[in-house]
Order: sequence, then C-alpha cells, then structure tokens
Amino acid sequence: DADVTQTPRNRITKTGKRIMLECSQTKGHDRMYWYRQDPGLGLQLIYYSFDVKDINKGEISDGYSVSRQAQAKFSLSLESAIPNQTALYFCATSEGASETQYFGPGTRLLVL
Amino acid sequence: GQNIDQPTEMTATEGAIVQINCTYQTSGFNGLFWYQQHAGEAPTFLSYNVLDGLEEKGRFSSFLSRSKGYSYLLLKELQMKDSASYLCAVLSGGSYIPTFGRGTSLIVHP
Repeated sequence: DADVTQTPRNRITKTGKRIMLECSQTKGHDRMYWYRQDPGLGLQLIYYSFDVKDINKGEISDGYSVSRQAQAKFSLSLESAIPNQTALYFCATSEGASETQYFGPGTRLLVL
Repeated sequence: GQNIDQPTEMTATEGAIVQINCTYQTSGFNGLFWYQQHAGEAPTFLSYNVLDGLEEKGRFSSFLSRSKGYSYLLLKELQMKDSASYLCAVLSGGSYIPTFGRGTSLIVHP
C-alpha cells in the first residue's frame, strides 16, 4: 500500500464550487505539505503543517485553506474554485527539518 | 527570497552521460535536493547535498559548491527510462522548507 495517498485522483468542477482534496499518510511523519504544479512552473508551496496544531501559509495560499485533522490527515479546500486553480496538486510529508519529502500520487483538478 | 535556475530542457542519447545544472541565490543555505519526476507522476527523491563535493549513488551523482551557489546532477549510462523532469530544491533560512526550481525536462533518445 502507498505511504501517502490522495483523494480524489481526478476532479472536474465548476467555477464557484467548494471542493476538498484529501491527503493521508502512514509514514508517521509530523510534517505535511500541499503543493500545486503548473506546466513550466515547478512546484509551488500552498500550505504546510509541522504538527497537528501548526498551520502555515506558503507562497501561494490565497484562495485556499487547509485542515490538519490528525497527524496522518491534511486536507486542502478551495472555497470558491476559479479556472486558474486548474493544476496538479501534490501532498507531501517529511520526518523533520532537512529531511526528504515523500509525495502522494497527485490530484489533477480541472475548474471549468 | 530565493532564485533557482535550471535549464528548461535537455536531450541526450541512450548510453551517454548528461549533466544537469542548478544555480541558486539564497541566504542561509541549509541543503540541496534533487528529485526525479516522470510525466504525470509524483516526484521521487534522488539525492541530498549539504556539504561541498560529489555524492555518488549508482548511475546518479550529485555535486555541490556552496561558495558558487551551484549544483549538478550527473546521470551516467543513460537509459530510456531516465526521460523525466529533474527538480532542484534548495533549503534555506530558518524554516527548512524547500523551494523548488522549475525543473529540467530530460529527453533520452535511442
């Protein structure tokens, strides 16, 4: 079984809709991250969390919110989706500072 | 802030050697990662350099020069399956959050 899972894997939604992307991990890591990836732009950090009570904004947090329900679960919400949020979204975990990140398989989101 | 620069695309021949460069400008450097990402898939860890020098791991090696703000990933005996994007990511500052470059798309042809 995969250590980092994301649901759904693909999602099509309409402008203005609220959607949630979920991430679960069985690695026992405290640190979790949400990234988006657009063609030619690399990975951009949306939010990150160092433990259940810690939530931090990344470089592109506008239009997004997150919830850390447990050590193993970190959800990303788009309160009112817009077309330029169409992208590939990755969740990642790491054990601590200066540690390798382990990525989930990604969620491909299309906002019409 | 950080500025990370990688070539957008490179091509190479199966069996050859290719070097993918990454230059960066940052304050408080803490380390540099290389990740491999096949199209439509998740990035996977290749290497981590924190001290100057060359780290070898099978067909892949990674080099770091902190004074020059420079790293490279060296891929030997290229195989078709090495066709992928290679992401350079720099750790800096007190937060230890990696910042990713835009990635280098490597195309290996027969």
